[in-house]
Amino acid sequence: DQQVKQNSPSLSVQEGRISILNCDYTNSMFDYFLWYKKYPAEGPTFLISISSIKDKNEDGRFTVFLNKSAKHLSLHIVPSQPGDSAVYFCAATDLSGNTPLVFGKGTRLSVIA
Amino acid sequence: EAGVVQSPRYKIIEKKQPVAFWCNPISGHNTLYWYRQNLGQGPELLIRYENEEAVDDSQLPKDRFSAERLKGVDSTLKIQPAELGDSAVYLCASSPSGTGLYNSPLHFGNGTRLTVT
Repeated sequence: DQQVKQNSPSLSVQEGRISILNCDYTNSMFDYFLWYKKYPAEGPTFLISISSIKDKNEDGRFTVFLNKSAKHLSLHIVPSQPGDSAVYFCAATDLSGNTPLVFGKGTRLSVIA
Repeated sequence: EAGVVQSPRYKIIEKKQPVAFWCNPISGHNTLYWYRQNLGQGPELLIRYENEEAVDDSQLPKDRFSAERLKGVDSTLKIQPAELGDSAVYLCASSPSGTGLYNSPLHFGNGTRLTVT
């Protein structure tokens, strides 16, 4: 039973365009969400996060949107660059610390020059 | 700052053999995690340490897996005996926060890729 779902295994986007990666969760106890980026043969690196008191968090080219009622979040990358090509993992937890960080299966983003 | 260091990077062993992985977390990080990532999946928590205490080992297969974090710094994860299904990438991560504060972003090492033949 997957609590964090990334239903798109892969995504291809032209350089300069917007990349939108989606994530759904089922556990209502989750109130803190993170995106990690992973290059081949490296560990995941933290990208951006959002808590449930917000519906948007922005950091440069990266913006995460949270729709609590739909239990859905998305990561927008604008403009996309070839160096953004990686696997992106959505992760969720709760701020109280009672729930371990739960990861989705990841979405492989390819940005085509 | 130096990142999380793991060794070895790769390990190939025959089934039923033992194997051990080592992790050196970021200096000053009290919380250390071991995750396992199977092919095509996201990382899954095996065990979490706060200093030298294992505070969450509910997902660790205790019949064959063991871990220790002596002196609250470096950690070792061991599998004995290994099975074919243990082939995966084993990731170590650390964070600065204390007990219960899962919201501190985790810093991951590059992992150990284990292949059991």
